[in-house]
Formats: sequence, C-alpha cells, structure tokens
Amino acid sequence: DAKTTQPTSMDCAEGRAANLPCNHSTISGNEYVYWYRQIHSQGPQYIIHGLKNNETNEMASLIITEDRKSSTLILPHATLRDTAVYYCIVRDRNNAGNMLTFGGGTRLMVKP
Amino acid sequence: GAVVSQHPSWVICKSGTSVKIECRSLDFQATTMFWYRQFPKQSLMLMATSNEGSKATYEQGVEKDKFLINHASLTLSTLTVTSAHPEDSSFYICSARDIQGGYGYTFGSGTRLTVV
Repeated sequence: DAKTTQPTSMDCAEGRAANLPCNHSTISGNEYVYWYRQIHSQGPQYIIHGLKNNETNEMASLIITEDRKSSTLILPHATLRDTAVYYCIVRDRNNAGNMLTFGGGTRLMVKP
Repeated sequence: GAVVSQHPSWVICKSGTSVKIECRSLDFQATTMFWYRQFPKQSLMLMATSNEGSKATYEQGVEKDKFLINHASLTLSTLTVTSAHPEDSSFYICSARDIQGGYGYTFGSGTRLTVV
C-alpha cells in the first residue's frame, strides 16, 4: 500500500473548518484513500473514504486532487470533541484480507 | 453498522501472569481479525492477523509464543499475553472488516493493559 505523509499536528478554532492535508504521491489506480480518527484512549473510528471523486458524509468532506497525489479532509465546523489524531491511509479496497497500516497521523487540537 | 466489541477495556495484572483479551464482531462474521498494539504517543502497530480456523500470521518481531491468538469462530478472536512483563504494558486494539456488509474496517474500543 502507498505511503502517506501528514503534518504532525494542527490547531483549529472551535466552529471553524479544519482542513487536514495528506500527501500520497505513490498512490496507484486501484487504491482508495481512507480517513480514520482516534480520540484519546479509544479505538480508531472510520470517517470517510474515496477513490477519485470528492466525497461528503455527515462527518466530513474528502477532497482528492485530480492527479490523486494528495487529499484534504475537511471538518466543516470543528468542535472540541473533534480533537483527535487523524490518520490518512491509502490501500487497495479490493484486497480484502489485508490490514490497515497506520502512519503517524495528524494530531488536531480544536481550541475554544 | 458493523460493531466490534473488545473486552476488557482495561486490566492490571502482576508480572508473570497471563491476560486474555477478547474481540467479538457483534453483527457480522469476520474470517479475519487484526490485532494492534499502541504505545503512548505512538501510532498503531500491527501485531498479527487472526484467521478463523487456522494459525495466526505474526508481524516481524512479535513473539507468537508470547502473544497467543485463537480465532475459533467467525465472531470471536482472543489474544492472550502470556507471562506478562511491564514492557508489555500497552493499549491493545482489535479490528475486523464486514466485507459482505460493505463497511470498512471497524475497531474495538481497545484494552489498556498495565503490568505491575
């Protein structure tokens, strides 16, 4: 699976949009971009995933560049409860048996 | 959605004893489950892949005789930390994927193990 690069940490003001970037320049055509987050002392939580097109759900939006070499996770109105480590993971969705490989992630601190 | 239940959520044990952690898929069947370990301020590291009805596959550097994995049914995998030592103190997390349900990977809530 392709390697990803994320900033180590970011701050965001409560109520503002949080934009978390991820670089995955070696992504291949059949690899999806997944985003998970981990709130302190909990297991990771699925947020969103996408292949080419931008995606949106009740939690967040995922913007993938046209060349697919990078993406941005957007939390439109960050709350204090969004403080967590956010992991960007790239993998082949059709490879059912394989695990998720976690990088360092981005530690997002939402401040009042 | 797919739910993975992990138990216990925390455990304290004496050095030299064994501890069993359970991971259950509540509303789906999982032929494969994954066990991760996470040390403070670090990312999740895969320890092993648990396969229903067959032996687990361990990552390099993980002792299979120390971390016993049993995946006897399609909904239950267990991780037993044998002869635990303080350096085994960590946050252990399991994961499974509901392939037929179309969901992504679902994680348990984790088990905080403290060996004293």
